[in-house]
Amino acid sequence: TQLLEQSPQFLSIQEGENLTVYCNSSSVFSSLQWYRQEPGEGPVLLVTVVTGGEVKKLKRLTFQFGDARKDSSLHITAAQPGDTGLYLCAGPWAGGTSYGKLTFGQGTILTVHP
Amino acid sequence: GAVVSQHPSRVICKSGTSVKIECRSLDFQATTMFWYRQFPKQSLMLMATSNEGSKATYEQGVEKDKFLINHASLTLSTLTVTSAHPEDSSFYICSATFGGYEQYFGPGTRLTVT
Repeated sequence: TQLLEQSPQFLSIQEGENLTVYCNSSSVFSSLQWYRQEPGEGPVLLVTVVTGGEVKKLKRLTFQFGDARKDSSLHITAAQPGDTGLYLCAGPWAGGTSYGKLTFGQGTILTVHP
Repeated sequence: GAVVSQHPSRVICKSGTSVKIECRSLDFQATTMFWYRQFPKQSLMLMATSNEGSKATYEQGVEKDKFLINHASLTLSTLTVTSAHPEDSSFYICSATFGGYEQYFGPGTRLTVT
């Protein structure tokens, strides 16, 4: 069974602080995705990382894919209240024939206080 | 692009009645649609995978007779919660994909069963 372990589960910080969310697995993934979900809304795809060692930047968000493609991280610089939400990492599910199916991490609830 | 809509966004129904939730891909043809259930402050729990014109594949523990899924076209899937009970109250989210592992989520439906 592929598991994605996210940490921390909860993060409460002040505006302007930096933070990192981790997504780890003992399994190799062909790609990993990060989603952000605001309360009462559906998740929104932020980025997909595909190549081991890849770094992608999206404004103040930096995503890394581990060299061995077993882990990923999301770093937010100078967090703002608008970054508040549930962050989910996800990777392709390797079992069976359900193409497109994803395995999700447990999620990280980020609260940024003004 | 890749917009997915859900209707209704909120629904309140009485115990014992049935409720239908629609999921539409607005600007693309979805090869596969997924239905998730989400409890407060938790990650997504996959209920079933749906392909157009074929029977849905349900995850272990999900009652297929209670959660009826119909995928009539490449842009529409429906989830019907039959004989709803208060324990079925939850946030239901659909997603769609068009061939890869990136999923595009609808805004969710909040179901409350009284």
